[in-house]
Amino acid sequence: KNEVEQSPQNLTAQEGEFITINCSYSVGISALHWLQQHPGGGIVSLFMLSSGKKKHGRLIATINIQEKHSSLHITASHPRDSAVYICATPNFGNEKLTFGTGTRLTIIP
Amino acid sequence: DAGVIQSPRHEVTEMGQEVTLRCKPISGHNSLFWYRQTMMRGLELLIYFNNNVPIDDSGMPEDRFSAKMPNASFSTLKIQPSEPRDSAVYFCASSLGTGGYQETQYFGPGTRLLVL
Repeated sequence: KNEVEQSPQNLTAQEGEFITINCSYSVGISALHWLQQHPGGGIVSLFMLSSGKKKHGRLIATINIQEKHSSLHITASHPRDSAVYICATPNFGNEKLTFGTGTRLTIIP
Repeated sequence: DAGVIQSPRHEVTEMGQEVTLRCKPISGHNSLFWYRQTMMRGLELLIYFNNNVPIDDSGMPEDRFSAKMPNASFSTLKIQPSEPRDSAVYFCASSLGTGGYQETQYFGPGTRLLVL
């Protein structure tokens, strides 16, 4: 069974700070998703990656397959980045998507 | 282009009643996913369809839950009879359908269900 863990569970930072959210998983995987859930409840897919690094605007996602670890970074954080960030992985057989419990990020102006 | 459409957005019902949630995926997408989100358990995959066929229903909690996809543009999730522990937000998502779980999913706004 794939165990997906995120850290920290909650993170509060000042506007402008560099943010890092971590995701670890327990089995070999083929890809990892990062999702953003807005305070209103809507869910947006930010990244899907299977190796290396992806960048979109101020967001950067990295993955280390050997270490079974992924990070989501936010540069020059802004209050509108306040949301819950969730990682999710299918297991190696591309079966059964397992979600982390999420990291609640609050950016204070 | 319209995104994933779900209806109703909110549903309040009494225990024992039948509840039907509806989803219209993005046109051209061949995979559809139903998820449930609760405070206790977070996001959970309930069922995954590809080309209207259920591929993975291992997340469906019990026989009270059923899902159908009669055509490429419509899916339903039915709970009969409903129980208070079914109270949750139910999300539908769709994707192109060529890569299983290894492709970007687009989420609907969710249906917030409250069973009294």
